[in-house]
Amino acid sequence: DAGVTQSPTHLIKTRGQQVTLRCSPKSGHDTVSWYQQALGQGPQFIFQYYEEEERQRGNFPDRFSGHQFPNYSSELNVNALLLGDSALYLCASSPGTANEKLFFGSGTQLSVL
Amino acid sequence: GENVEQHPSTLSVQEGDSAVIKCTYSDSASNYFPWYKQELGKRPQLIIDIRSNVGEKKDQRIAVTLNKTAKHFSLHITETQPEDSAVYFCAASHGSWGKLQFGAGTQVVVTP
Repeated sequence: DAGVTQSPTHLIKTRGQQVTLRCSPKSGHDTVSWYQQALGQGPQFIFQYYEEEERQRGNFPDRFSGHQFPNYSSELNVNALLLGDSALYLCASSPGTANEKLFFGSGTQLSVL
Repeated sequence: GENVEQHPSTLSVQEGDSAVIKCTYSDSASNYFPWYKQELGKRPQLIIDIRSNVGEKKDQRIAVTLNKTAKHFSLHITETQPEDSAVYFCAASHGSWGKLQFGAGTQVVVTP
């Protein structure tokens, strides 16, 4: 079992650009959540997808958007990148809707210059 | 919304000693409390979790206690080993679609 797979592992962008991060959930999991982890801090919830719909959203601007595909994989899109968007972006999957037993991927390290 | 505070931010212990990390939460509706361990450059890994209908849960050298009245929960690691060195995060959530609210993390260093 490959667990949660995220791509790319590292990414460098400049201010104002757009970025797309990808996530494949753990086998048997149908719910995907995205978190932003700034250096030295705990992960911050961005949003959660289930049945291809955004089910809950954290305190992030509309520049952050996402999508879930029929095979449960997911994308996180960030538009108009700011320096403050530099962080580790973690994808987590879980079975069902209870948001328990989240299984995290290794993340995408995004650097905005 | 939910706010989770975690203490201490760093914890140094001698190998074989016990380590205790404490968290408090603000939302009395929270009913699920996981603990994650994150080694440098690696993904957060769930090490133990507890639901609000349980006061204590143990798994080998790790235990978690929950005090719903005081709205705090703690992680206890006994007989610490060098491989326990990592950052530990507590979190809280409630209900379906309940987002996990994480604490700021505790850097644990176990010295031989």
